[in-house]
Amino acid sequence: DTAVSQTPKYLVTQMGNDKSIKCEQNLGHDTMYWYKQDSKKFLKIMFSYNNKELIINETVPNRFSPKSPDKAHLNLHINSLELGDSAVYFCASSLGGTGQANYGYTFGSGTRLTVV
Amino acid sequence: GQSLEQPSEVTAVEGAIVQINCTYQTSGFYGLSWYQQHDGGAPTFLSYNALDGLEETGRFSSFLSRSDSYGYLLLQELQMKDSASYFCAAQDSSYKLIFGSGTRLLVRP
Repeated sequence: DTAVSQTPKYLVTQMGNDKSIKCEQNLGHDTMYWYKQDSKKFLKIMFSYNNKELIINETVPNRFSPKSPDKAHLNLHINSLELGDSAVYFCASSLGGTGQANYGYTFGSGTRLTVV
Repeated sequence: GQSLEQPSEVTAVEGAIVQINCTYQTSGFYGLSWYQQHDGGAPTFLSYNALDGLEETGRFSSFLSRSDSYGYLLLQELQMKDSASYFCAAQDSSYKLIFGSGTRLLVRP
């Protein structure tokens, strides 16, 4: 059983298109995240949800819109894709509060987005 | 601002010991975590230090000095499979996990 699964694994699309990435966790965690990893491997947090409530919203273009229908799912929709959006997007989950550090984040396998 | 500094690359020989340092500057600080990421893979959690001192987990140990805003990951009895990128990450006062830029470890035979 995959703990944090995200789909698709690869996504190649043209500039200007709209795309979505889905994420699901079966760990019973309270908190889910979206991270972006660029070509230099820098991991930057984008969003975080705790029990369906948005708690972290970093300085991200409003073309990116997260949605959490329930605490086991967190999706990311991107409008009007640009070349600079090309990156690997990781979904992650953790226990809430201090548990998130003590037991760490569990990351999905990533979605490699290429905008051409 | 918030930042974590770590060396970009470290090379070591199989069977040796290597230390990866991390200095941090964050607005509020709860603790320092370490993650391992193989090429093409997902980051995986290795350890967490909330208090000063050394935490040991098998061949890996992690150290924290809050007064020096400094920590390190120590890898002993290096194996080829340890070749990967290692990230330190600091949890700030808003429970946000901020990652360093990563250290690429290359283990040579």
